[in-house]
Amino acid sequence: DQQVKQNSPSLSVQEGRISILNCDYTNSMFDYFLWYKKYPAEGPTFLISISSIKDKNEDGRFTVFLNKSAKHLSLHIVPSQPGDSAVYFCAASLQGGSEKLVFGKGTKLTVNP
Amino acid sequence: NAGVTQTPKFQVLKTGQSMTLQCAQDMNHEYMSWYRQDPGMGLRLIHYSVGAGITDQGEVPNGYNVSRSTTEDFPLRLLSAAPSQTSVYFCASRSQGLSEKLFFGSGTQLSVL
Repeated sequence: DQQVKQNSPSLSVQEGRISILNCDYTNSMFDYFLWYKKYPAEGPTFLISISSIKDKNEDGRFTVFLNKSAKHLSLHIVPSQPGDSAVYFCAASLQGGSEKLVFGKGTKLTVNP
Repeated sequence: NAGVTQTPKFQVLKTGQSMTLQCAQDMNHEYMSWYRQDPGMGLRLIHYSVGAGITDQGEVPNGYNVSRSTTEDFPLRLLSAAPSQTSVYFCASRSQGLSEKLFFGSGTQLSVL
């Protein structure tokens, strides 16, 4: 039973345009969400996070939006750059209870020059 | 800054062999964990530890053992390797508190023949 779902295995966008990566979750108890980026042959690196008390968090070109009623979050990258080409993982956790991060299967983003 | 160090980077085993994947962190993090990444499956938690002497099972613990005798080290033992354990293994650590970033090592690619 997959609790965190990234339904798009891949996404291709042109350099300079917006990239939107989506993530859905089923456990309404999740209250903290993170995005990780992974390049080939490297470990994942933290990108941005959001607490359930917020609906938006920005960090430079990266913005994460959270819609709790829809159990949906999205990562926006504007403008997209070729160096953003990587696999992006969505992850969710329960604060104050679980020590476990649950990851989605990832979306491979390709930004074409 | 070493961060999270995993050894070896690559390993080939025969079915039934045992081995230990090493993980060390120099950030004085209380929390350490092991994930495996398989194609189309995302990152799945094998075991984790919230401090020296404390370990617990994750989502896919069967066939693996862990121990945490020091804050710095968190080795993962494969008792009798099986082809189903062919995967990329990532060790990760963070400070206590789920809002803290999880730092990953660069991974160990394991093939079991």
